[in-house]
Amino acid sequence: NSKVIQTPRYLVKGQGQKAKMRCIPEKGHPVVFWYQQNKNNEFKFLINFQNQEVLQQIDMTEKRFSAECPSNSPCSLEIQSSEAGDSALYLCASSRDYTGQLYFGEGSKLTVL
Amino acid sequence: AQSVTQPDARVTVSEGASLQLRCKYSYSGTPYLFWYVQYPRQGLQLLLKYYSGDPVVQGVNGFEAEFIKSNSSFHLRKASVHWSDSAVYFCAVRVIASSSFSKLVFGQGTSLSVVP
Repeated sequence: NSKVIQTPRYLVKGQGQKAKMRCIPEKGHPVVFWYQQNKNNEFKFLINFQNQEVLQQIDMTEKRFSAECPSNSPCSLEIQSSEAGDSALYLCASSRDYTGQLYFGEGSKLTVL
Repeated sequence: AQSVTQPDARVTVSEGASLQLRCKYSYSGTPYLFWYVQYPRQGLQLLLKYYSGDPVVQGVNGFEAEFIKSNSSFHLRKASVHWSDSAVYFCAVRVIASSSFSKLVFGQGTSLSVVP
């Protein structure tokens, strides 16, 4: 069973508000991913870390989204100004290396009113 | 471009019947293939994975999948389904973009309903 811990499970924000989600990757996993799953079950890769460093991120992430994975602290994904289209399930996943199996958390479901 | 296609958005089977969920991928590199299951209001749980070797891989809860390279397919099977198997199933391929980066590309998912 996965030991990736995501908080909060649910968050509700108004348009323009900040939304912040946290993730504790599985112990010993230096690689962390954030994915967005929309209501149509489409997955969008957002950002990837290895040992606290950003490896890849999409353009969308660079504008309103910010993320970090500090050592000895939970990883976080923050949306600076939420939009209705950001309503989705945000999944954090971790792995031992860049080819290894991904272990997913339960997700944080964001609803933007 | 890399992609995964699950042609069946919804599948309904009777409890005790056999199951096959279809998956085809498009990827020019060596495929690392996965099947995940998602229960309502939960994250993704790994059912099984294929990296290399025997093309038939066994997973949890009686699931198995067969990698057919010539067909670029990785179909999921189960001999006898249970009502608790009702969930959404996702096929995914791990795309290696560089020597230090890869990501999962997911299919659209197949919603499985097991009826009495």
